[in-house]
Amino acid sequence: GIQVEQSPPDLILQEGANSTLRCNFSDSVNNLQWFHQNPWGQLINLFYIPSGTKQNGRLSATTVATERYSLLYISSSQTTDSGVYFCAVGPNDYKLSFGAGTTVTVRA
Amino acid sequence: DTAVSQTPKYLVTQMGNDKSIKCEQNLGHDTMYWYKQDSKKFLKIMFSYNNKELIINETVPNRFSPKSPDKAHLNLHINSLELGDSAVYFCASSQERTSGITPWLFFGEGSRLTVL
Repeated sequence: GIQVEQSPPDLILQEGANSTLRCNFSDSVNNLQWFHQNPWGQLINLFYIPSGTKQNGRLSATTVATERYSLLYISSSQTTDSGVYFCAVGPNDYKLSFGAGTTVTVRA
Repeated sequence: DTAVSQTPKYLVTQMGNDKSIKCEQNLGHDTMYWYKQDSKKFLKIMFSYNNKELIINETVPNRFSPKSPDKAHLNLHINSLELGDSAVYFCASSQERTSGITPWLFFGEGSRLTVL
């Protein structure tokens, strides 16, 4: 299957800081999604972005499919941004492989 | 209304027992999944059903048996539970891309299984 590597594994931010999370994948993909798992364990969709750039509020994402990576940007971080951010990729829609996640802690 | 709902949310049981987790989605999606999240937060797909047909069956012990009575339901039955089965099991669903809809993967809230 497709290998997915996320970096950094852990990130500690002061409230208001910006950050970039990276997702590298080993093969071409037709599906790429970013998720946020909050401290209560809920997995929430952030972006569906197999290519291109999208923005949603303080979050944005860019996928460069030809170079097999995706970036998630968090701007003006808030304590509610804390949690684990997962990148999931797949050659099709049925079999998404997840990275190990980036654990983000935002301190007030 | 919860889009993907799982029951029970918590399950504590003894080794060797059999247990089931139920999942229902009210999104009208064609595909449903079971994922397992281990203690290190790693998420791995176990099964995928499309229109009640099994389309993905990862390397999962035979003790795990999914059943999809209809498109809106996917249950997971686990026989002879072992300590290593302790994890959070997530149900998810998605719509086929061919229908013109973005194939987002929607997760339920998870069922935490603890085997003693």
